[in-house]
Amino acid sequence: EAQVTQNPRYLITVTGKKLTVTCSQNMNHEYMSWYRQDPGLGLRQIYYSMNVEVTDKGDVPEGYKVSRKEKRNFPLILESPSPNQTSLYFCASSFEGSSPLHFGNGTRLTVT
Amino acid sequence: GDSVTQMEGPVTLSEEAFLTINCTYTATGYPSLFWYVQYPGEGLQLLLKATKADDKGSNKGFEATYRKETTSFHLEKGSVQVSDSAVYFCAFRDDKIIFGKGTRLHILP
Repeated sequence: EAQVTQNPRYLITVTGKKLTVTCSQNMNHEYMSWYRQDPGLGLRQIYYSMNVEVTDKGDVPEGYKVSRKEKRNFPLILESPSPNQTSLYFCASSFEGSSPLHFGNGTRLTVT
Repeated sequence: GDSVTQMEGPVTLSEEAFLTINCTYTATGYPSLFWYVQYPGEGLQLLLKATKADDKGSNKGFEATYRKETTSFHLEKGSVQVSDSAVYFCAFRDDKIIFGKGTRLHILP
């Protein structure tokens, strides 16, 4: 089944404790992206990647890192999480520039 | 700059009512247009799309027509069901993907 898989679904952590949210897609998509969803703000793009070893900042990249060492994986790294990063995070992928996005089921992160 | 504006919710309708969710966009090029739906506890799913002017996207009884002259892509359904309760996002994709803020739809039985 074609899908984008994120893990974990739920994560509660404390300020400053490094964490990684994994994202993997099995559709051989070139484009991958991370979003955060907050009430009243909709979806905001954090980082995106057009292909392996190519990553670019989205609208809200501060406090986040990504890497794209392989085509299928695009992990999101929070080196020192803070409470304002409490949010619902989505990974998405698509075949190329104008194609529709396929989304994962989300990771709900709480930073205390 | 590029943007998507969609009507704010929540929108509450009775079952079998007619639905319209307005969406307009501002873009410099000729983007592809999309509607995504997010059911509770899930990620966004593509509902329908249109890639050029006057194209009509349709799926699950929902329709939207790409209107270049009014830069709009309004979502319509003739008879909504309780199972249509969700958050709907309008989006366009040119060199960048831009999402609207979402419209929450509640359908009452």
